[in-house]
Amino acid sequence: GDSVTQMEGPVTLSEEAFLTINCTYTATGYPSLFWYVQYPGEGLQLLLKATKADDKGSNKGFEATYRKETTSFHLEKGSVQVSDSAVYFCALSPWGYQKVTFGTGTKLQVIP
Amino acid sequence: DVKVTQSSRYLVKRTGEKVFLECVQDMDHENMFWYRQDPGLGLRLIYFSYDVKMKEKGDIPEGYSVSREKKERFSLILESASTNQTSMYLCASSGDIQYFGAGTRLSVL
Repeated sequence: GDSVTQMEGPVTLSEEAFLTINCTYTATGYPSLFWYVQYPGEGLQLLLKATKADDKGSNKGFEATYRKETTSFHLEKGSVQVSDSAVYFCALSPWGYQKVTFGTGTKLQVIP
Repeated sequence: DVKVTQSSRYLVKRTGEKVFLECVQDMDHENMFWYRQDPGLGLRLIYFSYDVKMKEKGDIPEGYSVSREKKERFSLILESASTNQTSMYLCASSGDIQYFGAGTRLSVL
């Protein structure tokens, strides 16, 4: 079945550091890929998405590129802020189907 | 603005009680979902519904049931709560992407 593997956390960075959170997936066909973010005490919200190979999703300074050859969708940000502290979930959804498979989440802590 | 509302943020129940978790969406979405979130396990799908009165089991349906009598409302039912059902429960509805409620943290004592 479909699965998503993302790096173990927690990840602790200083403000303005470069962020990478790795995500790889296993799926048949051509799934859509997502990054969701969960701030403390809240539900998940969509951060960015990509629907086909080589697409780059971006939002709030975060980026991720859909790499079919390596089945990866790594999340990056050039300069993190304290307000980026949250749990980040990589996820996939088979094309045309609403069911989403989530990774286990990576907690990011940014210190001033 | 998109809204998925879960009726309670925190609940404390006793073992054996019947528990209802309610979720309402205002986006006219056909698809709705219930997940539980546990540390180290991420989100696991309990049940989902793709239309009124329709439901499908997710990955961990044991000990749970659901009800969808109206399009905007999707209820999760714990028939006889047990301590291993202590968790964070998240409801979502979807059009092209999933929108989540704020979650209900349930403690079963």
